[in-house]
Amino acid sequence: NAGVMQNPRHLVRRRGQEARLRCSPMKGHSHVYWYRQLPEEGLKFMVYLQKENIIDESGMPKERFSAEFPKEGPSILRIQQVVRGDSAAYFCASSRGTGTEVYYGYTFGSGTRLTVV
Amino acid sequence: AQTVTQSQPEMSVQEAETVTLSCTYDTSENNYYLFWYKQPPSRQMILVIRQEAYKQQNATENRFSVNFQKAAKSFSLKISDSQLGDTAMYFCAFHTNSGYALNFGKGTSLLVTP
Repeated sequence: NAGVMQNPRHLVRRRGQEARLRCSPMKGHSHVYWYRQLPEEGLKFMVYLQKENIIDESGMPKERFSAEFPKEGPSILRIQQVVRGDSAAYFCASSRGTGTEVYYGYTFGSGTRLTVV
Repeated sequence: AQTVTQSQPEMSVQEAETVTLSCTYDTSENNYYLFWYKQPPSRQMILVIRQEAYKQQNATENRFSVNFQKAAKSFSLKISDSQLGDTAMYFCAFHTNSGYALNFGKGTSLLVTP
């Protein structure tokens, strides 16, 4: 009964390159959430997706960042032309639904640490 | 705005002692859910304890308990009989009944010493 799987665990990119972070939700979960944790900070919500739909991307920077959750395969958080300020830990979480489903079943992955050099 | 404030950036406690981590939050909604998460150096976010705001009884999970004061919008975490393995960052968080995004505080770094 695998939990939320994120890969890679560590990712190093040079400034200007693209970063792709992957998240496979728990079995039976169709709601995916991405968070960013900057150094010395708590997690900040970025985007909420369901299969093939972006529900809420209010926490995501308008430029260079995009997210998708295709019908088949993992959710992808894509950062184009990375800058040093993008260095952070990126967490994915999943749930079966919202409201009480979040309360009872929100599950986090282990995160991807992105380092931009 | 929905915010979470953890006023203690760092705390230290001796093994077997009791420590309380404070958390206050702000929301205009009446129905919401509260959480404490532990983040050890492995970076994994581990759920420690949760509380539904409409329940007056404080939640407990083994050595962990909360003091929930709804009127004061306060949700502190008490760790009894502290163990070395409790050393970690602790984050307070909440989400509203109608929502899905967790709002996190900046965390308290807890060090348990022998």
